[in-house]
Formats: sequence, structure tokens, C-alpha cells
Amino acid sequence: AQKITQTQPGMFVQEKEAVTLDCTYDTSDQSYGLFWYKQPSSGEMIFLIYQGSYDEQNATEGRYSLNFQKARKSANLVISASQLGDSAMYFCAMRQAGTALIFGKGTTLSVSS
Amino acid sequence: ETGVTQTPRHLVMGMTNKKSLKCEQHLGHNAMYWYKQSAKKPLELMFVYNFKEQTENNSVPSRFSPECPNSSHLFLHLHTLQPEDSALYLCASSQGGNTVRETQYFGPGTRLLVL
Repeated sequence: AQKITQTQPGMFVQEKEAVTLDCTYDTSDQSYGLFWYKQPSSGEMIFLIYQGSYDEQNATEGRYSLNFQKARKSANLVISASQLGDSAMYFCAMRQAGTALIFGKGTTLSVSS
Repeated sequence: ETGVTQTPRHLVMGMTNKKSLKCEQHLGHNAMYWYKQSAKKPLELMFVYNFKEQTENNSVPSRFSPECPNSSHLFLHLHTLQPEDSALYLCASSQGGNTVRETQYFGPGTRLLVL
């Protein structure tokens, strides 16, 4: 069975610093996709970044990068140069072929000035 | 309108009421989803529709009844709910190709309070 684990309930960072949000996953499939979403207090889930299990390079999207370590089954999100607007819940999610996304419990990120 | 929209954004209902949540996507997608998000719990997948056919029902109680009249619209009909059904209900859509790369795009959600 597939499972996503996010062990950090909350993280605190100062503006302009980098922060890493942890995510580990469990699956017996060789082909899967890993996603990160941001959920501000308004409630909408915003797609940030995607990493495929066969991708050799770590994914990057602007200030977001994904530190993918396949052997460890981890897919940590790195946010560089944090901004106040980055304060939100962050969810790691996984998809196997033919299934919908399953999500971890999320990490609350608080960015202070 | 762009993306995925949901109405109403907020809903308060009694346990004997009947109400419906509406989701509309303007992305040309073929798959639509309902998720439930309760406090301190991961998002729970409720229903999946692919090309208007229900392909997944995650053991959801019958007091929740989905309807997908076409690929752009998804409804969640609610009746005789319980207070523990109070949650944020999120709708999402995706291309419908069932590949691992398929990204789901979410609406803003409906915050439901059952009294």
C-alpha cells in the first residue's frame, strides 16, 4: 500500500533563509509521481512541483526544488529565499498509475520578518 | 472564469437538511475528484470520476452522493449529515490519462459546518 509521511508538523524560518520540508513515501511500484502542494489559509491547494520516479535530475521550479533520494524514498521540498507569502501548509503527495493522489498530513511553514 | 471553481464557499446546515456542493472546471479535463479535509487529518479521497464514470468510491457513507453530469461539472449531494462531517471539501480535476505525471488542480473548497 502506498503511504506518505511528513514528520514535521510545523517549521519556522526567517525571511530570505532557505527551508527544507521533509517527505518520505512508501510504495512497491517502480513507477510513481511525487508532488508538492501549498495550501494558504484560504484553502485552495496550489500545485508547486513534480518529480517522476524515473527522473534522474532533481526537479526545480523557481525558488522550489525537490531533493529526491530514491533509495531512501524521500522527496524533500527546498524553498530558497523564503518570503512572508510562503507561510502556509505544505503537502507532499504521490500518485501511482491509475490512482488518485494520496497526501501526507502536511507541514505548517511560518515565515517571519 | 478559469481553473476550478466551487460553490458555495461556506455552508452551514442542520443534520436534517439536504444541500449540494458544486464544482466546475474550465481546464478541459476529463477526471474530477472529491476530497475531504478534516482538521489534523490528511486529505481523504472520496470519489473519482473519469470521463463521467465513477471509478473510485473510497468507502464513503451513503449520506454523500456524487453526481457528474458531464466532464466539466461535479456535484456532491449531502443529506442527513453528522457533525463529524464538518470539514473542507475540495474538488480537483486532471487530464484523465491515468499517468503518474498527471497533475490534479484544486478548487478553493467549500467549508462545511454541520450543526
